[in-house]
Amino acid sequence: EADIYQTPRYLVIGTGKKITLECSQTMGHDKMYWYQQDPGMELHLIHYSYGVNSTEKGDLSSESTVSRIRTEHFPLTLESARPSHTSQYLCASSAAPGYSSYNEQFFGPGTRLTVL
Amino acid sequence: QQQVKQSPQSLIVQKGGISIINCAYENTAFDYFPWYQQFPGKGPALLIAIRPDVSEKKEGRFTISFNKSAKQFSLHIMDSQPGDSATYFCAASIAGTYKYIFGTGTRLKVLA
Repeated sequence: EADIYQTPRYLVIGTGKKITLECSQTMGHDKMYWYQQDPGMELHLIHYSYGVNSTEKGDLSSESTVSRIRTEHFPLTLESARPSHTSQYLCASSAAPGYSSYNEQFFGPGTRLTVL
Repeated sequence: QQQVKQSPQSLIVQKGGISIINCAYENTAFDYFPWYQQFPGKGPALLIAIRPDVSEKKEGRFTISFNKSAKQFSLHIMDSQPGDSATYFCAASIAGTYKYIFGTGTRLKVLA
């Protein structure tokens, strides 16, 4: 069982609200990722970080933002939520090769976000 | 170039049968090919992975077959069990990028 946590697990909010999805890992991994998962299953990388104060946008454009001021913490923020943001958000982490199985990514349980 | 194509989208297998999921890629720079298993309400978890220097890797009932020349790899689940019912994702990665390109997923249902 990987030590990566996401809160909340479920969130239902109204349009226009600001939200922050939390992700923490206790494995000391330097790399962390946010994925958006469609109801149809596909996983899309929306943000990643290779270490503290390092963040990059992923392959899928997203209106969300991320920060990485501590190794273990990688929160995702939506300034003004819209119904189009309704999705499952998955956080993952990995370490450099040599530390674990060739940058295996460990996933959290996800946050199911519904914007009304 | 960066896509990983996965098929079928869904699969129904009888208990004890063999489940086969296929993936194909174009980018020859990919050098790590993991398979992830995801149960409802959970995040994906690594099932088995292969590097392109071998053609097959087996762990218990799960086997990856890798065809470098055809740029294809597949997951075989032998003696499929109802507990194997889940969504399976193939992925590919390039050394040093630490990013995965995921396939579109396969929903497997094993009938008791």
